[in-house]
Amino acid sequence: DADVTQTPRNRITKTGKRIMLECSQTKGHDRMYWYRQDPGLGLRLIYYSFDVKDINKGEISDGYSVSRQAQAKFSLSLESAIPNQTALYFCATSDLGNTDTQYFGPGTRLTVL
Amino acid sequence: AQSVSQHNHHVILSEAASLELGCNYSYGGTVNLFWYVQYPGQHLQLLLKYFSGDPLVKGIKGFEAEFIKSKFSFNLRKPSVQWSDTAEYFCAVKDTDKLIFGTGTRLQVFP
Repeated sequence: DADVTQTPRNRITKTGKRIMLECSQTKGHDRMYWYRQDPGLGLRLIYYSFDVKDINKGEISDGYSVSRQAQAKFSLSLESAIPNQTALYFCATSDLGNTDTQYFGPGTRLTVL
Repeated sequence: AQSVSQHNHHVILSEAASLELGCNYSYGGTVNLFWYVQYPGQHLQLLLKYFSGDPLVKGIKGFEAEFIKSKFSFNLRKPSVQWSDTAEYFCAVKDTDKLIFGTGTRLQVFP
């Protein structure tokens, strides 16, 4: 969905490096989410935010942090990347006023060597 | 907390075959249910959703799903698949403020 963008789309990094993944949306939604996708495990929620001042941990938040810089921007950071954080990362947005259906960005493929 | 089970991990069909993918959630009450599709190399797209009303929900591209409360199920169906339906399919249930996803079913359709 072109309304939700993620940068970078692909990233290869080394163990111990700090990485930031960015998500921007033009849908005007208040709610934003970060997921990681691993083969055979589906999507697992890392963090979510219902507005600029609201940040919540998801199922697998250890090793990650987030920042909600504005309604339209939600960044995910890996402070010290490790190989088992190699995955496909998706950002999503939703609007509680519209049944809270989530809309996903194109994903960031992260490889940690 | 809710959980979602998708028992079919990998399904292989020929074009024109009928499709049914299973999805079960863990407990009842009011549930909001979703099916998302991920085509190769693409992001997740909403296929259909159930919030209330008619338990037979029609989505895009000829897909439908039936909510059966007594069976805690929300199976996805399509009467005749096409090669272009090759994708991974995810069932999800809304748990308070979050979506809980199943592990996905990979569908391969051969011409």
